[in-house]
Amino acid sequence: QVQLVESGGGVVQPGGSLRLSCVASGFSFYMYGIDWVRQAPGKGLEWVAFIRSDGSTEYYADSVKGRFTIARDNSKNTLSLQMNSLRVEDTAVYYCAKDRGSFGAYFDSWGQGTLVTVSS
Amino acid sequence: EIVMTQSPATLSVSPGERASLSCRASQSVRSDLAWYQQKPGQAPRLLIYGASTRATGIPDRFSGSGSGTEFTLTISSLQSEDFAVYYCQQYNNWPPWTFGQGTKVEIK
Repeated sequence: QVQLVESGGGVVQPGGSLRLSCVASGFSFYMYGIDWVRQAPGKGLEWVAFIRSDGSTEYYADSVKGRFTIARDNSKNTLSLQMNSLRVEDTAVYYCAKDRGSFGAYFDSWGQGTLVTVSS
Repeated sequence: EIVMTQSPATLSVSPGERASLSCRASQSVRSDLAWYQQKPGQAPRLLIYGASTRATGIPDRFSGSGSGTEFTLTISSLQSEDFAVYYCQQYNNWPPWTFGQGTKVEIK
């Protein structure tokens, strides 16, 4: 079955950096777009970033543009999110989510999430 | 950016009763609308896509309807495991992909 496992979360000071990873299994990773979606404590869901199945296209939410970078390695079935210049408002659980196709739609499988806390 | 608005914020329902949750888009999203269920401490789970198609393994007490700007998720007879937060999401006009703020279904 489809499995997505995130890692890399933790506590970081404002202005710091963190790199999240997501390892995928149970499906043909190279065929699907993948996203990062986050959820601040007690809040709703916010889409963060998308990468196309072949890695040729990336999109970012305005709130993270220029600070976060999404990447994928189809040979290793892994996704990453490099987060720089972190702010207190980036504190959230970060989920990786599989698209139903190669290029953007709804999210048909989700990982369990990794918590990022930005605090001094 | 398409803004998704859900109502009500909280819905109090007795087990066995019917629940109707509303989602409105700020402009037409055709039928490119998904619903997710999220229980405390868990990741969201896809329930409905294409406004009315149930995802794999979703019980038929869950149904979706609507198109354009007005959508409804109906749970025909609430079971104990259905008490959760429900989110709608549009995938017609992106980026960004946008979610509603959620409706919490709680036990009355």
